[in-house]
Amino acid sequence: NAGVTQTPKFQVLKTGQSMTLQCAQDMNHEYMSWYRQDPGMGLRLIHYSVGAGITDQGEVPNGYNVSRSTTEDFPLRLLSAAPSQTSVYFCASSYERAANTEAFFGQGTRLTVV
Amino acid sequence: KQEVTQIPAALSVPEGENLVLNCSFTDSAIYNLQWFRQDPGKGLTSLLLIQSSQREQTSGRLNASLDKSSGRSTLYIAASQPGDSATYLCAVKGGSQGNLIFGKGTKLSVKP
Repeated sequence: NAGVTQTPKFQVLKTGQSMTLQCAQDMNHEYMSWYRQDPGMGLRLIHYSVGAGITDQGEVPNGYNVSRSTTEDFPLRLLSAAPSQTSVYFCASSYERAANTEAFFGQGTRLTVV
Repeated sequence: KQEVTQIPAALSVPEGENLVLNCSFTDSAIYNLQWFRQDPGKGLTSLLLIQSSQREQTSGRLNASLDKSSGRSTLYIAASQPGDSATYLCAVKGGSQGNLIFGKGTKLSVKP
């Protein structure tokens, strides 16, 4: 069982560069989301999707784009990287509309913007 | 707006001690509550999930309770071991959509 797979694990970007963080899940979960984790701030929701073709903004969406063309994949795009986007990024998935199922997280992508 | 608070922020105990981690939330209209463990540099591992209709869940040495009316959950760890050292995160799901709202975590250190 692969679960939730994130790539890459580590990335260093220069200010202004763009990149895509990949997230894939093999559990046929409708719901997928991206969080960033910063010291002292906890995990904050960036964007989420409740199914293919449907995305919405979370708490901190500025500077990030998402799309959901398949159930399995939910990439996060940084359009023009800024030092403030230095963080650890986590992708998560779960079944929608089910109170008794847990959320699963990937291992994270540690991004440094210089 | 839902807010989740975890107290204490850090805890250091000797091996073998029973301990309680606390989580409080401001809006009692939650769908479920989930406890996670995070090891340094790693992802989140789900420990226990409590549905809003449940009072507690148990897994091995872990027991989580939920009191929705008072906006509180506790994670009880029995007979702590050095391998339990990690950061423990509490998260609430506010509705049928899957958005989780996290506390900032309790960093636990169990000394041999």
